[in-house]
Amino acid sequence: DAGVTQSPTHLIKTRGQQVTLRCSPKSGHDTVSWYQQALGQGPQFIFQYYEEEERQRGNFPDRFSGHQFPNYSSELNVNALLLGDSALYLCASSLVTEEAFFGQGTRLTVV
Amino acid sequence: GQSLEQPSEVTAVEGAIVQINCTYQTSGFYGLSWYQQHDGGAPTFLSYNALDGLEETGRFSSFLSRSDSYGYLLLQELQMKDSASYFCAASNTGGFKTIFGAGTRLFVKA
Repeated sequence: DAGVTQSPTHLIKTRGQQVTLRCSPKSGHDTVSWYQQALGQGPQFIFQYYEEEERQRGNFPDRFSGHQFPNYSSELNVNALLLGDSALYLCASSLVTEEAFFGQGTRLTVV
Repeated sequence: GQSLEQPSEVTAVEGAIVQINCTYQTSGFYGLSWYQQHDGGAPTFLSYNALDGLEETGRFSSFLSRSDSYGYLLLQELQMKDSASYFCAASNTGGFKTIFGAGTRLFVKA
């Protein structure tokens, strides 16, 4: 049983560009959450998707958007990249409230 | 605002017991989770409390006091492999949103 998979693992982009990150949830999980983790910090909640709808959103600008597909996989899109967007982006899937399974993340570097 | 406070760093010796505290201030609080993250790895779930009291899972236990907005993670019989960052995380009703603390870096010495 595959866990949460994310792609790509690493990415380098230039300021102003757009990026799409992908996540496949653990088998049987219908809820996907995205987090941004800066070095030495805890994960910061971006948003959560359930039944293809954004169910809750954290304090991130509209440049951050997402999508969930019928197979529960999800994408995170970031437009007009800033240097400060450089971070590890984590996807977590869950079926019940209390336990989330995280992927290995995508390391995004904006130069 | 919503925030969780936990110590930035804790050091303990192999075989000892260590407690990592977490105080939270969140709206619509539902439960408190704990995650472990090794350098370069993904956070992995350790424990969850929705009700007051102690939850025990092997060498790890977690405690919650809703009236004090406080919880802790207790690690017993410390091993070198327990050296990692530990995060407390508060979820709101329905689990739609989870806020993480900044993490506690645990160093286990021989």
